[in-house]
Amino acid sequence: QLQLQESGPGLVKPSEALSLTCTVSGGSITSSNYYWGYIRQPPGKGLEWIGSFYYSATTYYNPSLKNRVTISVDTSKNQISMRLSSVTAADTAVYYCARQTIRFGSPGWFDPWGQGTLVTVSS
Amino acid sequence: DIQMTQSPSTLSASVGDRVTITCRASQSISSWLAWYQQKPGKAPKVLIYAVSSLESGVPSRFSGSGSGTEFTLTINSLQPDDFATYYCQHYNKSPYTFGQGTKLEIK
Repeated sequence: QLQLQESGPGLVKPSEALSLTCTVSGGSITSSNYYWGYIRQPPGKGLEWIGSFYYSATTYYNPSLKNRVTISVDTSKNQISMRLSSVTAADTAVYYCARQTIRFGSPGWFDPWGQGTLVTVSS
Repeated sequence: DIQMTQSPSTLSASVGDRVTITCRASQSISSWLAWYQQKPGKAPKVLIYAVSSLESGVPSRFSGSGSGTEFTLTINSLQPDDFATYYCQHYNKSPYTFGQGTKLEIK
């Protein structure tokens, strides 16, 4: 059974970079059948897609993050990492990673999801 | 970007009721729509993808319909476990946006 587990610092200072890792077990991130995505959810608010990564290095990012985000993989560890630079309090959220099924070669729906990790941006 | 608008934002209902949640896209997304259920403190779980395809293990009281720009999620005979927040998400093209959510509360 595929499982995803996010890990990260918990607390990040404003203007610094936020780095998260998603460790995947029960399946390979190099599978040709899936993208791997990050989604976030500010406390008490809705879901925002951050970006999606395919093992061939094809990536899609949310333009609203204004080139602050980078997603990469470590195939030896079966991990997908996300880096968000120049964070502000508005980046405080629960961050999720999820597998994204491919439909006609493009990213589709998210399933399953990791449990999420709360990252707070504060000095 | 394609905007997804759900209505209502909050819905009060009783066990046994039939409820419908609507999701409208700002432009046509064909049939590239999924629905998720989220309970407090938990990650979202996909219920339906491709408008009407039920994810494995999801009860048949959940159903989806629509095409183009208007879509609905229907839950027949509400069960206590169904009280949660529901989100739609399009995957027509990047950016893959979600609706703002519909909170289904017990009346």
